[in-house]
Amino acid sequence: DGGITQSPKYLFRKEGQNVTLSCEQNLNHDAMYWYRQDPGQGLRLIYYSQIVNDFQKGDIAEGYSVSREKKESFPLTVTSAQKNPTAFYLCASNDRADTQYFGPGTRLTVL
Amino acid sequence: AQSVTQPDIHITVSEGASLELRCNYSYGATPYLFWYVQSPGQGLQLLLKYFSGDTLVQGIKGFEAEFKRSQSSFNLRKPSVHWSDAAEYFCAVGFYNNNDMRFGAGTRLTVKP
Repeated sequence: DGGITQSPKYLFRKEGQNVTLSCEQNLNHDAMYWYRQDPGQGLRLIYYSQIVNDFQKGDIAEGYSVSREKKESFPLTVTSAQKNPTAFYLCASNDRADTQYFGPGTRLTVL
Repeated sequence: AQSVTQPDIHITVSEGASLELRCNYSYGATPYLFWYVQSPGQGLQLLLKYFSGDTLVQGIKGFEAEFKRSQSSFNLRKPSVHWSDAAEYFCAVGFYNNNDMRFGAGTRLTVKP
C-alpha cells in the first residue's frame, strides 16, 4: 500500500539533545512538508522541499533542520536550539493535483 | 492579513443530528480549499477538496462542503452524524504547489449518544 510513514510514534528528548524524526513516502510525490501541531493552534509549517536536494524554510524553521537526499525521505532534526520542542509533528507530501497527504505523526516530549 | 478562521472551537451534536462546521478565509484570490479530519494521536485524513467548478463538493464518509465566494466560506456539512465522526476537523487553504498552505485552528466535534 502506498502511503507516508513516520517513526518513531513517540520520542523523548533530554535537554540539549538533538533528535531526528523520520518521514518516508512511497507515493512518488516530489514535494514534502513538515508541520508542527500544538493544541488549539492548527498546523504550522516548519520546512518544505519541492525536489531532491532542495528545501525551504517555513514559518517556524528556527531550531530545526532537514535534508532531502532521496525523493522518498525527508527527515527532520530538532536541535537543542529549539527551546520548546514538545509538540506533535506531522509530515506530508503533495500530489500533482496539489493535494497534501499526511503521515500518522510523531509526538515529541522533552524530559 | 491572509487567514483561515474556524469560528467554533468545540461543537457537540447528538448522534443522528445534522452537522455544519464553519470555515472562512481571507485571501486576495480564491484559493484551493480543503477539509481534513484528525482522530486523537493520528495524522490528518482528507475529507474533500475544492479547486474549481461545482461549488458543492462531495467527500468521504458522507460529508459535503459548499464554497460560497461572496461569503469567503467553505462550510462542511453532514446530514446525520455518527458516533465515529467524533474527531477534530481542520479547514485549510492552499495555492499552486501548496507551499503556503494555511490551516484553521480546528473544530473539535463531540457526538452525544
